[in-house]
Amino acid sequence: DTAVSQTPKYLVTQMGNDKSIKCEQNLGHDTMYWYKQDSKKFLKIMFSYNNKELIINETVPNRFSPKSPDKAHLNLHINSLELGDSAVYFCASSQDRPWTSGRRETDTQYFGPGTRLTVL
Amino acid sequence: AQKITQTQPGMFVQEKEAVTLDCTYDTSDPSYGLFWYKQPSSGEMIFLIYQGSYDQQNATEGRYSLNFQKARKSANLVISASQLGDSAMYFCAMREGFPVTSGSARQLTFGSGTQLTVLP
Repeated sequence: DTAVSQTPKYLVTQMGNDKSIKCEQNLGHDTMYWYKQDSKKFLKIMFSYNNKELIINETVPNRFSPKSPDKAHLNLHINSLELGDSAVYFCASSQDRPWTSGRRETDTQYFGPGTRLTVL
Repeated sequence: AQKITQTQPGMFVQEKEAVTLDCTYDTSDPSYGLFWYKQPSSGEMIFLIYQGSYDQQNATEGRYSLNFQKARKSANLVISASQLGDSAMYFCAMREGFPVTSGSARQLTFGSGTQLTVLP
C-alpha cells in the first residue's frame, strides 16, 4: 500500500489556468508538507500543516493555496498559473509529535512520488 | 550562509566499491536531525538514513552508514559495495530544533545534491 500518494503524476496546462494537486497519506502522521523542486533539482519548503493547521508558509505567491480537509489530506491549489510555476511538487508527511522529537520515527519525512507540473 | 552544503555535484564509483558523499551543515541549534534521501531517475524521494544530534553512535541502515562528525558539522553518507541501482541523485537534509508546541512543525532544508554514477 502506498504511504504517501499524489495525483496527478503529470500535469500539463496553459498559462493562466487554475489547477489542483491532491495528496493523501495513510501513515497516521500529524504533519504534512508541500515542497517544490525546481529545474536545477533544488528542493524548497512551501507549506506545512499540522493537524489541519497551517504552520509554515514560506515566501510563496498567494496564487498558491493549500487546503487540508483532514489530517490525512493536503491539497495544493494554484491559480493563474505562470511559466515559472513549472516544477516538480512533492507532498511529504511526518509524525512530528513534539514530546518525542529527536527520533527517527517522529522526525523523518516520507515523500510522495511527486507531480511534474508543466505550464505552457 | 547555506545551511546544508554538498560540494560534489557529481561522483563516479566502480561497482562493488565504497563511496563517500560529503555533507556539511550549519546550525546554532543544539537539537537537529540529519537525513539522506535518494532520488533515482524515476523521480521519487526515498528516505535512506537519519542521524539525531544527540545520537552517540553513527547511524547505519544496511549498506548505508552516516559518518557523523559533530564538531566538524559534517554528516557524510557512506555507501558500501556500490550497485548499479545506486546510481541516483543524493540529497542531504536537516531539521532544526524541537517543537515547543503541538502546533509547530519543522521543515527540511536540503543541500543541492550529488549525482552518483556507479560504473559497471
